[in-house]
Amino acid sequence: NAGVTQTPKFRVLKTGQSMTLLCAQDMNHEYMYWYRQDPGMGLRLIHYSVGEGTTAKGEVPDGYNVSRLKKQNFLLGLESAAPSQTSVYFCASSYSQRGGDEQFFGPGTRLTVL
Amino acid sequence: QQQVKQSPQSLIVQKGGISIINCAYENTAFDYFPWYQQFPGKGPALLIAIRPDVSEKKEGRFTISFNKSAKQFSLHIMDSQPGDSATYFCAAYNYGQNFVFGPGTRLSVLP
Repeated sequence: NAGVTQTPKFRVLKTGQSMTLLCAQDMNHEYMYWYRQDPGMGLRLIHYSVGEGTTAKGEVPDGYNVSRLKKQNFLLGLESAAPSQTSVYFCASSYSQRGGDEQFFGPGTRLTVL
Repeated sequence: QQQVKQSPQSLIVQKGGISIINCAYENTAFDYFPWYQQFPGKGPALLIAIRPDVSEKKEGRFTISFNKSAKQFSLHIMDSQPGDSATYFCAAYNYGQNFVFGPGTRLSVLP
């Protein structure tokens, strides 16, 4: 099992450019999440999905869009990147959500917006 | 969004010592409290977790102490080792609100 994988690992964008981050999991998990991690702020939830074809907003959704067309994939899009979106992005998945369940995290994508 | 406060921000401990990280929460509806460990350049990984029906959970050198009335919980690392050097995040969860993470504690264990 590869677990949770993220593509790309690093990316540099100019302000206004767009990009898509890809997350894939091979554990047949229903729930998938996108977080951003900034120094001193922990992990903040951007968007999440409770199953194929569903998405929902998290704590900091502005400027991001997501899609879950296949159960194993969760895409995070930035339509017009801003310097404030410079961060490390983590994807996670879990088997279920009810009652709390272990989240498995990917290795992260370090994004710099100039 | 409900907050989870975490302290200290950074911690330096000698090898063999005890590392203690504290967290506090506000929302009494939280019902699952995990701790995640993150090494540089890696994603967080679940270390240990507790539910509010118990006051303590121990797994090897790692122990969570939970005080429901004070709305606080802490991670104790006994016999700390240099390999424990990492960033530790506490979190709180309840269905419908997802996970809320603390800001993290950077632990350095000196050899």
